[in-house]
Amino acid sequence: AQTVTQSQPEMSVQEAETVTLSCTYDTSENNYYLFWYKQPPSRQMILVIRQEAYKQQNATENRFSVNFQKAAKSFSLKISDSQLGDTAMYFCAFFLSGTYKYIFGTGTRLKVLA
Amino acid sequence: NAGVTQTPKFRVLKTGQSMTLLCAQDMNHEYMYWYRQDPGMGLRLIHYSVGEGTTAKGEVPDGYNVSRLKKQNFLLGLESAAPSQTSVYFCASGVAGSWSQYFGPGTRLLVL
Repeated sequence: AQTVTQSQPEMSVQEAETVTLSCTYDTSENNYYLFWYKQPPSRQMILVIRQEAYKQQNATENRFSVNFQKAAKSFSLKISDSQLGDTAMYFCAFFLSGTYKYIFGTGTRLKVLA
Repeated sequence: NAGVTQTPKFRVLKTGQSMTLLCAQDMNHEYMYWYRQDPGMGLRLIHYSVGEGTTAKGEVPDGYNVSRLKKQNFLLGLESAAPSQTSVYFCASGVAGSWSQYFGPGTRLLVL
């Protein structure tokens, strides 16, 4: 069975600094997708970034980028130039093709300090 | 374009009461999902649907039923609510290919 682990329950970062959130997963399959979702205090789940496992190039979306290490089964999220609006819970998620099901990590609460 | 909407936003139930949570999406997505979110446990999949008229069990299906009579709607039912079902419930929809999910705003349910 697939699992997703986020080992940092809480993190903080100074505004304008860079922070990296870690995520590891366990699977013996090759065809899967990985996601980072953001959940601000409003509770709305927002897609931040996605990565296809077959792509070696790391995904980037503006200030958000990932470090995808397939062999190590690691999928970390880097937030550059952190902003107060980045304060949120961040969830890592794994999707295995053909199963239609997603597995979420337990989340990392990020606080951006002014 | 409203995306994914959920009704109601908040509800208080007494133990043993029943209720239905409604999820609607206007993006013509094939796949729809119901999750529950509890502190420290992330999101856990309750039931999901890969198309109109189909449903399947997720990780924590006990005590819940679902129906997908129309492509745009996915209903989650609690036949006899229990305090253990106190949670925040999220609906999501998605499409094959990108496999990105789009979430509703959530329903907070309190069972006394």
